[in-house]
Amino acid sequence: DGGITQSPKYLFRKEGQNVTLSCEQNLNHDAMYWYRQDPGQGLRLIYYSQIVNDFQKGDIAEGYSVSREKKESFPLTVTSAQKNPTAFYLCASSETGTPEAFFGQGTRLTVV
Amino acid sequence: QQQVKQSPQSLIVQKGGISIINCAYENTAFDYFPWYQQFPGKGPALLIAIRPDVSEKKEGRFTISFNKSAKQFSLHIMDSQPGDSATYFCAPLGAYSGAGSYQLTFGKGTKLSVIP
Repeated sequence: DGGITQSPKYLFRKEGQNVTLSCEQNLNHDAMYWYRQDPGQGLRLIYYSQIVNDFQKGDIAEGYSVSREKKESFPLTVTSAQKNPTAFYLCASSETGTPEAFFGQGTRLTVV
Repeated sequence: QQQVKQSPQSLIVQKGGISIINCAYENTAFDYFPWYQQFPGKGPALLIAIRPDVSEKKEGRFTISFNKSAKQFSLHIMDSQPGDSATYFCAPLGAYSGAGSYQLTFGKGTKLSVIP
């Protein structure tokens, strides 16, 4: 089955710890994205990558970092610098030149 | 700057009724107007989308109406069913990045509840 796999589905971390969220896709898409979703806020773009070894900041990149060493993988690290990291994180991908985005099932991060 | 305004924030509709969700945008560079559907605990999925060269598109019970001059588009769900209960997002876009990938600009969502 083609799709986007995010893991884990639920993640708990103590305040001050860095945590990495996994995103893998087998759709052969060049573009990948990370969004953050908070209640009543819609989805906000954290980072996106159009091609391997290249990525760009989105609207709310502060406190986050990413890497794109492989086409199929786009992990997101939530650092201790992120002031309010508890949220639902969504990874997406799209084929270059086409507008439809395909989303993973999300990771719900809770920082205590 | 809020580029996309979606309304209403929540909507309760009787089974069999019509659900209408609206999206107003500011950026005239947008050239693709989709609606995404999201069930609780899941990622959004594309429901239906329209290009600006047509004013209406229908797929089953779902219809998009597009008003270019008013910079608005809406989602109509006919014969609404309890299984349609979800959050709906408009996400108009254009090729901002210039290199072929698209950045979606999401509305804040409309939580639809269809009651039996």
